Amino acid sequence: AQKVTQAQTEISVVEKEDVTLDCVYETRDTTYYLFWYKQPPSGELVFLIRRNSFDEQNEISGRYSWNFQKSTSSFNFTITASQVVDSAVYFCALNNDYKLSFGAGTTVTVRA
Amino acid sequence: NAGVTQTPKFQVLKTGQSMTLQCAQDMNHEYMSWYRQDPGMGLRLIHYSVGAGITDQGEVPNGYNVSRSTTEDFPLRLLSAAPSQTSVYFCASSYGVSDRVNSPLHFGNGTRLTVT
Repeated sequence: AQKVTQAQTEISVVEKEDVTLDCVYETRDTTYYLFWYKQPPSGELVFLIRRNSFDEQNEISGRYSWNFQKSTSSFNFTITASQVVDSAVYFCALNNDYKLSFGAGTTVTVRA
Repeated sequence: NAGVTQTPKFQVLKTGQSMTLQCAQDMNHEYMSWYRQDPGMGLRLIHYSVGAGITDQGEVPNGYNVSRSTTEDFPLRLLSAAPSQTSVYFCASSYGVSDRVNSPLHFGNGTRLTVT
């Protein structure tokens, strides 16, 4: 069985603050993929990033960065210098064996 | 390019009624899936399909049926609606979801279903 835990239910910050979203996963497989998706208030689900279990290189893309640590089964996501448009629900997800398991999501509210 | 199209956007059913949520994709994706989203529970997989004629159960399949007669279409049937099925339903497709091929899911815009 696989499981994704996002311990933070809600995070509220003031614009320009950094926000880090935690994600911890459980799986027995050695090959798997991790994802982050964003769901803005409009409701659609948008893919942000994918990582496979063999790629622990962390990445920065604009204001977004990701920290994948296999040793601690964590795949954290950071928004630097947050903006109001970053307000959304963010989901971490784990895939193997044709099934994608999502965490419960973290609601990020960025106040102007 | 329409992507993943779900219909209807909203639906209200009475307990015991049946209905079909439609999902179609025009990206020639082999993998299609249905999720339901409930507050505080994220998205939970109902059923999925890895190709035409092949379907399998996800985490919460009870009360739902699916079929995959074509690559493009993956309808979700509620056989006898119950208030516990009040939720937002998302259809998603992907080029592939496996150990060897794992591309991101493309989601439809969702169907908000209320069962009274």
